[in-house]
Amino acid sequence: QKEVEQNSGPLSVPEGAIASLNCTYSDRGSQSFFWYRQYSGKSPELIMFIYSNGDKEDGRFTAQLNKASQYVSLLIRDSQPSDSATYLCVWGGAGSYQLTFGKGTKLSVIP
Amino acid sequence: DGGITQSPKYLFRKEGQNVTLSCEQNLNHDAMYWYRQDPGQGLRLIYYSQIVNDFQKGDIAEGYSVSREKKESFPLTVTSAQKNPTAFYLCATSTGTHAGLFFGSGTQLSVL
Repeated sequence: QKEVEQNSGPLSVPEGAIASLNCTYSDRGSQSFFWYRQYSGKSPELIMFIYSNGDKEDGRFTAQLNKASQYVSLLIRDSQPSDSATYLCVWGGAGSYQLTFGKGTKLSVIP
Repeated sequence: DGGITQSPKYLFRKEGQNVTLSCEQNLNHDAMYWYRQDPGQGLRLIYYSQIVNDFQKGDIAEGYSVSREKKESFPLTVTSAQKNPTAFYLCATSTGTHAGLFFGSGTQLSVL
């Protein structure tokens, strides 16, 4: 069965620090990778996507993908209390409309 | 104002009752999805549709039904056969494969 493994946390970091969120996936055929942020009681919102090995940066966020190790991560620089949320790691297979969701990592940024 | 509209925000179901959750989009996206989220759990796919008049079962389709008569609309019916319907239901759209999902604001369904 296709799976995404995430540390459920909670992960606590002080304000201004770098938060590192990690995810491993089981299917070597995975083609697309996404990070979603979900505040309590709200719907998930897409914050990053990555398709190729390496790093992709967008503002304070950096997504890192290593397909050989089946590993994807999200770094949040200069963490803010407003970053406190659950972060969902998601991947999609080749030619598939279906996405597989991890259970999420809860991040708390301490002022 | 473009987006995905889910209604109602809160819904209560009585024993033996069918209820329908609405999802409308004006993003002109081809694909639409229904997910269920239980506390502390990941999202689980109920049904998805790539085009009008066609839809496929997801991982937990039992006790649910859908229709896709228009590109803009993808309603979900929670039937009486679904014995544990209490959950947060999320409708989503995408432009196709390798594309991310865009979510509506969700419907919280509870059993009376």
